[in-house]
Amino acid sequence: AQKVTQAQTEISVVEKEDVTLDCVYETRDTTYYLFWYKQPPSGELVFLIRRNSFDEQNEISGRYSWNFQKSTSSFNFTITASQVVDSAVYFCALSEARGATNKLIFGTGTLLAVQP
Amino acid sequence: DTGVSQDPRHKITKRGQNVTFRCDPISEHNRLYWYRQTLGQGPEFLTYFQNEAQLEKSRLLSDRFSAERPKGSFSTLEIQRTEQGDSAMYLCASSPTTGAPEQFFGPGTRLTVL
Repeated sequence: AQKVTQAQTEISVVEKEDVTLDCVYETRDTTYYLFWYKQPPSGELVFLIRRNSFDEQNEISGRYSWNFQKSTSSFNFTITASQVVDSAVYFCALSEARGATNKLIFGTGTLLAVQP
Repeated sequence: DTGVSQDPRHKITKRGQNVTFRCDPISEHNRLYWYRQTLGQGPEFLTYFQNEAQLEKSRLLSDRFSAERPKGSFSTLEIQRTEQGDSAMYLCASSPTTGAPEQFFGPGTRLTVL
């Protein structure tokens, strides 16, 4: 069975601090996708990043970076120099790559509060 | 390019009533998904359409729930004989059949059953 665990329920930081959100996943699939979504107070889920299981290269995109480690089944997400507008719930998600559905399996989310 | 839209944004109903929600996906997206999100939880998959074909339904989707996508464009989700446990945010998402697998979500319909 597929499962995503986000152990951090809430994180509070002061503006300009760096913050890392943890994600651990379980899957029997050899090929899969991992995602991070942001859900601001308005409620709409916003796609942030995707990583394919066959590509472990870690990247940086603006203030966002991610660390994908297949050996530990982790897909952590870092925001550098956090801003108040980053305050939201962040969800890690997993989907199989070869199935017909590609439905998303979400974690329970991490509430990030960035204080001015 | 317009994103995924959902209507209504909020719905308050009494227990036992029927409700119907609509989702308009991004125009060139063949894949359409419905999810349900309760307070403090991540979204949970309900059902999936590829064009007009409903290819997968979750066990969460009881007999009181039905979804359609008649012409492969917009979709509707109907809940019959609503119960208080149906209160949740109902999210619709779409993605293209080929290419990038990420799903793009609408603003959701928040259902409150009194």
